[in-house]
Amino acid sequence: AQSVSQHNHHVILSEAASLELGCNYSYGGTVNLFWYVQYPGQHLQLLLKYFSGDPLVKGIKGFEAEFIKSKFSFNLRKPSVQWSDTAEYFCAGYGGFQKLVFGTGTRLLVSP
Amino acid sequence: DVKVTQSSRYLVKRTGEKVFLECVQDMDHENMFWYRQDPGLGLRLIYFSYDVKMKEKGDIPEGYSVSREKKERFSLILESASTNQTSMYLCASLGGRRAYEQYFGPGTRLTVT
Repeated sequence: AQSVSQHNHHVILSEAASLELGCNYSYGGTVNLFWYVQYPGQHLQLLLKYFSGDPLVKGIKGFEAEFIKSKFSFNLRKPSVQWSDTAEYFCAGYGGFQKLVFGTGTRLLVSP
Repeated sequence: DVKVTQSSRYLVKRTGEKVFLECVQDMDHENMFWYRQDPGLGLRLIYFSYDVKMKEKGDIPEGYSVSREKKERFSLILESASTNQTSMYLCASLGGRRAYEQYFGPGTRLTVT
């Protein structure tokens, strides 16, 4: 990906609501896509990644993402969020030469 | 588990001071990265290194330099700190050939007054 964009900067949900965070990328050759999460006060950690194959990718903590090539999208989903999902979420794409290109992030607040 | 550590979680420096941020990884990774994280801007790449003594500029290298004398250690240097360098600094490492997953340290929140 040469660039990655996240459209939602702040999302507020109630517990048990469904989540979908948008991510679009611009094609730049190899398509390898990632979602990272940063919980309050913690380091960035990988939620899930797409390299090839099945476009529906399952990650940790019940998250999944779907790679839709025709839409250049890699949206993150979770059927039912919990208060502990409050965090900042970053979409990233492989940017060549071992680099990643990150989106601007989405802050999710889940109210109990 | 890969472990990436950074020398300080919080740092306060004065304008004009020389600042060193240290990062160490314990997995013999070839590639290491320095980012800064700012609200609304996401992570922006400052510098990266793909081998000892090798470095490449990222997207925002101005005002920064780096040093990689040993494989496990990657240092970010602010030659003369300025208030616009107040930010969260994240170090990451990546190993292997098609292993594009990066492992991050806990970050250093630097305040320049």
